[in-house]
Amino acid sequence: AQTVTQSQPEMSVQEAETVTLSCTYDTSESDYYLFWYKQPPSRQMILVIRQEAYKQQNATENRFSVNFQKAAKSFSLKISDSQLGDAAMYFCAYRRVNTDKLIFGTGTRLQVFP
Amino acid sequence: KAGVTQTPRYLIKTRGQQVTLSCSPISGHRSVSWYQQTPGQGLQFLFEYFSETQRNKGNFPGRFSGRQFSNSRSEMNVSTLELGDSALYLCASSLLVGGQPQHFGDGTRLSIL
Repeated sequence: AQTVTQSQPEMSVQEAETVTLSCTYDTSESDYYLFWYKQPPSRQMILVIRQEAYKQQNATENRFSVNFQKAAKSFSLKISDSQLGDAAMYFCAYRRVNTDKLIFGTGTRLQVFP
Repeated sequence: KAGVTQTPRYLIKTRGQQVTLSCSPISGHRSVSWYQQTPGQGLQFLFEYFSETQRNKGNFPGRFSGRQFSNSRSEMNVSTLELGDSALYLCASSLLVGGQPQHFGDGTRLSIL
């Protein structure tokens, strides 16, 4: 069975600084998708970034980028130039191809200090 | 374009009752999936539907059921409610299964007294 592990329950960063959130996963599949979702107190789950396993190039979306290490089964999220609005719970998620079933990690609460 | 709409937003029930939650996907989306979020268990997958067919079911007791209608709207039902069913229930939709990322609704907060 696939599992997703986020070992950092809480992280904090100062505004304008860079922070990295860690995620590891376990799967025997060779093709799959990985996601980072953000859940602010408003509780809606918002997609931050996604990575297809067959792509070697790391995904980037503006200030958000990932470090995808397929062999190590590691998928970390880097947030550059952190903003107060980045404060939220961040969930790493795994999805096999041909399904919409997401397997989530336990989440990392990110605090951003001015 | 309207997002994923979940109703009601909040719900309070007592043990033993049953409840039905509704999810209207983004227009044109045909895949709907449901998740339960609790502080203790985190986010757990409940069901996945596509074109009125259940494609996947999570590890939940038979008290949890769902369905999808021809207009892609989905409902989930929980019978004989237990205190442990108190949770945020999230619905997500996507255009096709396994394609683009899902879009989530704001969830229904269910509290069991």
